Amino acid sequence: GQQVMQIPQYQHVQEGEDFTTYCNSSTTLSNIQWYKQRPGGHPVFLIQLVKSGEVKKQKRLTFQFGEAKKNSSLHITATQTTDVGTYFCAGLTGANSKLTFGKGITLSVRP
Amino acid sequence: NAGVTQTPKFRILKIGQSMTLQCTQDMNHNYMYWYRQDPGMGLKLIYYSVGAGITDKGEVPNGYNVSRSTTEDFPLRLELAAPSQTSVYFCASSYPGTGHTEAFFGQGTRLTVV
Repeated sequence: GQQVMQIPQYQHVQEGEDFTTYCNSSTTLSNIQWYKQRPGGHPVFLIQLVKSGEVKKQKRLTFQFGEAKKNSSLHITATQTTDVGTYFCAGLTGANSKLTFGKGITLSVRP
Repeated sequence: NAGVTQTPKFRILKIGQSMTLQCTQDMNHNYMYWYRQDPGMGLKLIYYSVGAGITDKGEVPNGYNVSRSTTEDFPLRLELAAPSQTSVYFCASSYPGTGHTEAFFGQGTRLTVV
């Protein structure tokens, strides 16, 4: 079955450093989504990417969909303590497929 | 607009007891999902449904059952609770297609089995 992989599971950065994480799918995706879960909270949708090579920005966060539509990246510029949480990617393989979530990466930021 | 509502928010069960975690959504979403999240870990899919009357197993279905008699409701049943089922349970819903397909999550149910 379809697999969406996020490695590593944890990453620790110093406040102000940049952070990049990747998401890889075993199959071609029709779209990829990113979610953020704050400690003690529930996953909340951040963004959806649909087109090959698409890049979207949300303030200090930059999301990119790979040319082959099998991978994606999330880049955070100048991390802040408010960026702490777990970031999940989730992929769809078609219009009537279910969302498949990666295991997530938990980001901690040292002040 | 309530979104996805889960009840209860917290529950302590004794080993061998049973319970039903309730999940309801008011967005007319076809797809609904149940996940469990162990401390410090990612989401594991328990069961999902693509519409009323249709359910399918995820990666960790053992010890759980679901039903989907209506579009709105997707209850998760735990039979003979075990300590290994101590976790946070999230229900989510989404709409298939090519437009806005993002998942909306409930607030979660924190379950402890002692």
